[in-house]
Amino acid sequence: QVQLQESGPGLVKPSETLSLTCSVSGGSVSSGGYYWSWIRQPPGKGLEWIGYFYDSGSTIYNPSLKSRVTISVDMSKNQFSLKVTSVTAADTAVYYCAGDQGHPNGMDIWGQGTTVTVSS
Amino acid sequence: QSALTQPASVSGSPGQSITISCTGTSSDVGAYNYVSWYQQHPGKAPKDIIYGVSKRPSGVSDRFSGSKSGNTASLTISGLQAEDEADYYCNSYTSSSTYVFGTGTRVTVL
Repeated sequence: QVQLQESGPGLVKPSETLSLTCSVSGGSVSSGGYYWSWIRQPPGKGLEWIGYFYDSGSTIYNPSLKSRVTISVDMSKNQFSLKVTSVTAADTAVYYCAGDQGHPNGMDIWGQGTTVTVSS
Repeated sequence: QSALTQPASVSGSPGQSITISCTGTSSDVGAYNYVSWYQQHPGKAPKDIIYGVSKRPSGVSDRFSGSKSGNTASLTISGLQAEDEADYYCNSYTSSSTYVFGTGTRVTVL
């Protein structure tokens, strides 16, 4: 079955760009029908949907993050990525990548999550 | 977009039933039958337990059930068990083609 694994730096300095990658195994990131999302969870807080891409490159973002977020895909590596610019301490969170096969019925596949701390 | 509203905590004794509400607006919960629910144990990734308001993914216990009325969706856990102690989040598709999560509910088994 499809499995997801997040990777990236665990520490990012304020004002810099956070970059994470989600590797897809057991399936193709370009396969039709999947919408690929990023979700984050600040320490002790709830889940926040960041955005998703579909159809090999179309994207939809959370309006509250739209100006700072980019989700992209690298089909050659079977990966998709998240970039968040101008980070602050408020961007400290566990970041999850997830797959949504029955769109728009929500995320049915989740990565294990990766912790990103924004600090100098 | 604003987070959907859930009670911060709900508790019950083993064997009892509890219900968690998830209140949104006519632009999300009330707009479509695309409400999903997630269970999250401490330090773990969320797991989907309900989709399409009331459908259960394969392997999810039938003790979990979902419903919706107007702008409010609900998750009911019947026959409460110790393993059900976790955080629960609702999620809805919106009229802007985005998703929005609920604020989350901590379920405690007394």
